[in-house]
Order: sequence, then C-alpha cells, then structure tokens
Amino acid sequence: DTAVSQTPKYLVTQMGNDKSIKCEQNLGHDTMYWYKQDSKKFLKIMFSYNNKELIINETVPNRFSPKSPDKAHLNLHINSLELGDSAVYFCASSQDGRVGGYTFGSGTRLTVV
Amino acid sequence: KQEVTQIPAALSVPEGENLVLNCSFTDSAIYNLQWFRQDPGKGLTSLLLIQSSQREQTSGRLNASLDKSSGRSTLYIAASQPGDSATYLCAVVQSGGSYIPTFGRGTSLIVHP
Repeated sequence: DTAVSQTPKYLVTQMGNDKSIKCEQNLGHDTMYWYKQDSKKFLKIMFSYNNKELIINETVPNRFSPKSPDKAHLNLHINSLELGDSAVYFCASSQDGRVGGYTFGSGTRLTVV
Repeated sequence: KQEVTQIPAALSVPEGENLVLNCSFTDSAIYNLQWFRQDPGKGLTSLLLIQSSQREQTSGRLNASLDKSSGRSTLYIAASQPGDSATYLCAVVQSGGSYIPTFGRGTSLIVHP
C-alpha cells in the first residue's frame, strides 16, 4: 500500500484556471505538509497542517489554500493559476517531525500554459 | 534562519568508487537530520534519519554521520553502483521552531558502469 499518495500525477492547465491536488496518507500521522520543488530542484515548504494548527509560509500567495477534511487528507487548492506556479508539488507527512522523520508522496507535476 | 548547503552540486564517478556527500547547516540547534534520495520524476525516499543525540546511522552501503557542533553531516556511499544514480537531499529539522525540515539543494550523482 502506498503510504502517501497524491493525485493527479500530472496536471496541465491554462492560466487563470483553478485546480486542486489531493493528498492522502495511511500512516496514521498527525501532521501533513505541502512542498514546492522549482525548476532548480529546490524544495520549499508551503504549508504544514496538523489536528490543531495550520502553519502558513509567508511567501506563499493567498491563491494557494490547503484544505484538510481529516488528518489523513490534505488537499491543495490553487486559484487563478499563473505561469510561475509551474513546478512539482510534493505532499509529505510525519508523526512527530522531531523524532520520526518524514514520508513523501511521489509528486504532482503542474504545468501552467 | 536555517540554511542548508550541499556540496558538491553534481558528481559523476565510475562504478565501484566510495563516495562522500556533504551537507552543512548554519544553526546547530537541530532535532534531527534526514537524508533522502530522489530519482528523476519521482518522489523522495528516506535513506537515513539521525537524531541530534546520535553521531551516525548505517543502512547497507550507506553511512551518515552528524557533527552537530560544526553544523555538518556526511553521507558515505560504499562501492557505488549505477543504481545509486539519483539526487541526494539533506533535510534539517531545527529545534525550537515549527519542526518543519529545511532542505538543501541536493547533490546530483551519476555512477557510470
């Protein structure tokens, strides 16, 4: 069974559209994350979300909004897509990042045209 | 703000060589450090997790060391194989913060037969 799964794997869309990426983890972890990997392969945290708190990175435009219906799911909704949003988006989870480490999904490659 | 640097950025070696990949971080107050492997077009696979109280971790041909006081970690790959070709990423979880890992930009490794 896949521990952290993301859908879709590939997403091609036009500028101005609204799209969502879904993420589910079956590890029973309390905390989930969204990362963005740019064309230079640099991974930057976007959001961290657990049962109690949403931590928003200040550099993330408010067009990006995470939604967590329960602790096993963290979806990423993006409004008014721009060319610069093209990247690979990774979902991850951890039970306690201080101790147990992190598990990543396989990524969603978003291309905005 | 924690900064993580990985050297070298790219490495190409013949099969069989022993390799050393370096990771340095600016703030030594960390909870743990994790090494990941990323294959082209794929997600991140966790290789080794070192807690701040540990000096090293080993898994098969991989050995990771941690010198917290000097802000350095080394990933040692013994007897490299073409299947080791991938990008290797180092991530640091800083203590006293939100426990979100900060990533280096990775070392791109090619092992040729």
